[in-house]
Amino acid sequence: DAKTTQPPSMDCAEGRAANLPCNHSTISGNEYVYWYRQIHSQGPQYIIHGLKNNETNEMASLIITEDRKSSTLILPHATLRDTAVYYCIVRAPFWGNTPLVFGKGTRLSVIA
Amino acid sequence: DTAVSQTPKYLVTQMGNDKSIKCEQNLGHDTMYWYKQDSKKFLKIMFSYNNKELIINETVPNRFSPKSPDKAHLNLHINSLELGDSAVYFCASSFSRPNLADRDISLVQETQYFGPGTRLLVL
Repeated sequence: DAKTTQPPSMDCAEGRAANLPCNHSTISGNEYVYWYRQIHSQGPQYIIHGLKNNETNEMASLIITEDRKSSTLILPHATLRDTAVYYCIVRAPFWGNTPLVFGKGTRLSVIA
Repeated sequence: DTAVSQTPKYLVTQMGNDKSIKCEQNLGHDTMYWYKQDSKKFLKIMFSYNNKELIINETVPNRFSPKSPDKAHLNLHINSLELGDSAVYFCASSFSRPNLADRDISLVQETQYFGPGTRLLVL
């Protein structure tokens, strides 16, 4: 079972920032927060991951609260091509631990 | 260049048939995975191989048999196909590196990269 809770859907205007929340209140100390997305009919695509510090890459920023019980994925300037299902996953990336477990995710619709 | 590729992209077949799906990655990764995404869009791990060795087998029926001839390939063979096998099957790959911080050295799975999927329809 997924250990995260995400809103089922969100809308965002094109060009605006999309802020996707994720609750992971039972996260343990060695678990990372991963974000993937799945554009319709394609394979999941890695976006970003982090442990406790905020992270930024060319695709997005990841803000993790100090208690690590929640995080927010930020797409700074959403485009129509960002319309997808976004999955927040927590896991310890070690053999013998739970592999990537995808929940229902958040369906983000970017609107022109 | 396609990093993780799967063939075929679409597969329509009759119940009871045997079929194979192939996966190849050119990223130099040493770990490969098969996932199944059902009609409700839930994505679930099926198998994982590290250096051609089976690591994860998530209670998948033994009609499903993965085969890894080398680190760059992980094929999925399915015997006696059933209606419930209809789904999209995704292959993925990643690096794994030793977790030296752990007293019992374990492998750290790096970021996974997914293929485009194979859409299987069993009639």
